[in-house]
Amino acid sequence: DAGVIQSPRHEVTEMGQEVTLRCKPISGHNSLFWYRQTMMRGLELLIYFNNNVPIDDSGMPEDRFSAKMPNASFSTLKIQPSEPRDSAVYFCASSFGELAGSYEQYFGPGTRLTVT
Amino acid sequence: GDSVTQMEGPVTLSEEAFLTINCTYTATGYPSLFWYVQYPGEGLQLLLKATKADDKGSNKGFEATYRKETTSFHLEKGSVQVSDSAVYFCALISSGSARQLTFGSGTQLTVLP
Repeated sequence: DAGVIQSPRHEVTEMGQEVTLRCKPISGHNSLFWYRQTMMRGLELLIYFNNNVPIDDSGMPEDRFSAKMPNASFSTLKIQPSEPRDSAVYFCASSFGELAGSYEQYFGPGTRLTVT
Repeated sequence: GDSVTQMEGPVTLSEEAFLTINCTYTATGYPSLFWYVQYPGEGLQLLLKATKADDKGSNKGFEATYRKETTSFHLEKGSVQVSDSAVYFCALISSGSARQLTFGSGTQLTVLP
């Protein structure tokens, strides 16, 4: 299996621009998670989906952030407009979810976002 | 709520030294416990896990035992290598929130040749 795939790996953009991060989960996984990692705040869960439905988006920092999962094999995280404080590494992770004892999550390589 | 407390880093060891990274937790019910490792420039990888009390997770020479009486899941390795240099995260999923991982703050390990 190719694992969780994220694109782009690096993104540099100017403040005010729209940024879209993409994720392809592991085939067969039914839960998908978006995290943000910074030195100051560590790993933060932004939102997670189960069976393509958003379950908990309480970690989304503000209305500038939105996430979608149109099907089981694709999700996007969009920031519009972007701000310098959004600079971070964004990780996508997926898991089987429902299988008892197998809730471990598998992480993608991350997208390093820099907003200037 | 659930929480994970990890030993503060950074930790610097010489090659072949013994490693312990402490991890304690607070959670409702009977959580599953995990150690993840993050190598420079990469995502987190599951290192090992334990799903019930007294279980021992092991992988790549690393071990951790689920101790319910002390609410701990300390990571150990008998002889570290330079290639073990990474950030290590302790995490849990409690029985009350089956899909959400609660992470510790991470411990940076550097192994010198």
